[in-house]
Amino acid sequence: EPEVTQTPSHQVTQMGQEVILRCVPISNHLYFYWYRQILGQKVEFLVSFYNNEISEKSEIFDDQFSVERPDGSNFTLKIRSTKLEDSAMYFCASSYTSGASEKLFFGSGTQLSVL
Amino acid sequence: DAKTTQPPSMDCAEGRAANLPCNHSTISGNEYVYWYRQIHSQGPQYIIHGLKNNETNEMASLIITEDRKSSTLILPHATLRDTAVYYCIVSPRHGNKLVFGAGTILRVKS
Repeated sequence: EPEVTQTPSHQVTQMGQEVILRCVPISNHLYFYWYRQILGQKVEFLVSFYNNEISEKSEIFDDQFSVERPDGSNFTLKIRSTKLEDSAMYFCASSYTSGASEKLFFGSGTQLSVL
Repeated sequence: DAKTTQPPSMDCAEGRAANLPCNHSTISGNEYVYWYRQIHSQGPQYIIHGLKNNETNEMASLIITEDRKSSTLILPHATLRDTAVYYCIVSPRHGNKLVFGAGTILRVKS
């Protein structure tokens, strides 16, 4: 079965540094998402992306965050100046359509630790 | 978006059916019921979804009440590998911004 691939699986960074989390969505999918999960808490929506632009974002997704699809296969999440509270597991997801009956495929996540 | 209510945890004996309930009394007519699970901090995994008819796939069955105010996910023969957090989610009318709640921690015991 096709899958969403995320790299790296673990990322450790110093507070204030920039990080880029990478994702390769399923090849024929058109909609891309980032979610995050702080340890012990719920999975939270960050942003959805379609046709090279953000279609929806949450309050968490402030000016420190950005997303990009730099080529035909990768989808990235950049955090410009990391804070301690950005430490979380970040999940990328993709779907073929955005209809209410469409399922999302999630990657296995990148564990970000900000020191 | 409609909200869901699930029990915080459940236990199930290995080999037995696991029945996970979900209440979604404010669901709208065109909203689907989705079930995902998350095994030990891995990415959420899609299980099944339905609108109003009962559904079955290779992983599970989904029973939706006639008034659509509640549903039950059935894992017919639970194994230890089914130990996970199970999320019942009502889909938004537009887009795919899934809203995850706390889910039900299912512990399958031998």
